Amino acid sequence: AAGVIQSPRHLIKEKRETATLKCYPIPRHDTVYWYQQGPGQDPQFLISFYEKMQSDKGSIPDRFSAQQFSDYHSELNMSSLELGDSALYFCASSLGQGRPEAFFGQGTRLTVV
Amino acid sequence: KQEVTQIPAALSVPEGENLVLNCSFTDSAIYNLQWFRQDPGKGLTSLLLIQSSQREQTSGRLNASLDKSSGRSTLYIAASQPGDSATYLCLSTTGRNYQLIWGAGTKLIIKP
Repeated sequence: AAGVIQSPRHLIKEKRETATLKCYPIPRHDTVYWYQQGPGQDPQFLISFYEKMQSDKGSIPDRFSAQQFSDYHSELNMSSLELGDSALYFCASSLGQGRPEAFFGQGTRLTVV
Repeated sequence: KQEVTQIPAALSVPEGENLVLNCSFTDSAIYNLQWFRQDPGKGLTSLLLIQSSQREQTSGRLNASLDKSSGRSTLYIAASQPGDSATYLCLSTTGRNYQLIWGAGTKLIIKP
């Protein structure tokens, strides 16, 4: 069965650079969530989308933006990267209505140097 | 707002023991509760999902229960093995916007 695909799996950027992380949800899933997990931390909610509209917002820095496209994939854009942005970024998708089991991608490991 | 708590933060037991990991939540109006495993620096592996209408789910040596009235879920691991060493996280889905709320996890070490 198709799972949530995140790309790239690993990314190394320098401070002040920009990064774009992509998430491809399970087909027919209409909801996407983004999480940031720092070393030794539990995942922190960043933002979510339902039917291409932002549905909830967490601790997402102003330097970050995200959107969900017409094909339901989502991109997380991160600008002016800081060392503290180094983390594992997870994307999850669910079918927003009914029984919203969340399925997680394998994550993108971002290292800012 | 939903709060999810996992106690203890870390647990170390000898191989072969049966053990229980706890997850508490404040809002009983959950849609479901999921248990995940995460190895250091790795992704999340879904273990079990319990829908709000269910009381437990089983997969191999794992059994997860859900008691909404008391705001608790437990993950029971039978006959623990060193390969079970990982961080175990619980995730609740709740609210109008299907918010996903994580517990902080329990780091489990199984000693050979």
